[in-house]
Amino acid sequence: DSGVTQTPKHLITATGQRVTLRCSPRSGDLSVYWYQQSLDQGLQFLIQYYNGEERAKGNILERFSAQQFPDLHSELNLSSLELGDSALYFCASSSRPQHTDTQYFGPGTRLTVL
Amino acid sequence: DAKTTQPPSMDCAEGRAANLPCNHSTISGNEYVYWYRQIHSQGPQYIIHGLKNNETNEMASLIITEDRKSSTLILPHATLRDTAVYYCIVRVYSRDNYGQNFVFGPGTRLSVLP
Repeated sequence: DSGVTQTPKHLITATGQRVTLRCSPRSGDLSVYWYQQSLDQGLQFLIQYYNGEERAKGNILERFSAQQFPDLHSELNLSSLELGDSALYFCASSSRPQHTDTQYFGPGTRLTVL
Repeated sequence: DAKTTQPPSMDCAEGRAANLPCNHSTISGNEYVYWYRQIHSQGPQYIIHGLKNNETNEMASLIITEDRKSSTLILPHATLRDTAVYYCIVRVYSRDNYGQNFVFGPGTRLSVLP
């Protein structure tokens, strides 16, 4: 158990809909990262937040957005969903780096868009 | 793109040492080598990381060549539960831009056989 929690575990929805994925980082971790893993693309970095502020963006679509709240949990919002958005979505967290910055991953949310 | 190359798959007999190679010939002086694994569709699990010295923890050993262009992850006594995809990642640590994302390649699928 990494200490990172994600809800829900599974999500099934229809094209065109909007969903919200939630992540709670490990206790004390200030950074949250979101990754997408689809069958044909592997693990892809989407976005990172540190202490409420966006720090880095990867291959995140404009239909997707995220935020980190004062209690440090984060939400990933996916809108106008398409079939190709079906994937595993992972959240990872890390503490403020001292020597290195190891990321610890949650169990993921499996999104199925029908 | 991932900066590492790994064999796509390997087999190992249960109880034997599993030696997973990774090439990172373009690694820079401030880049660390990280290893993660992913069991089935679970969240990636941190294993070990290093800069230039060999490292050992309760899970594995990491051997980095003197020129740092390659490394080997060693699982000393592989069990069936070690069957997973193993990812070797190089990542810069920067005090000014800490918390950088990981770039995952396709990894090595290790099958531990009874």
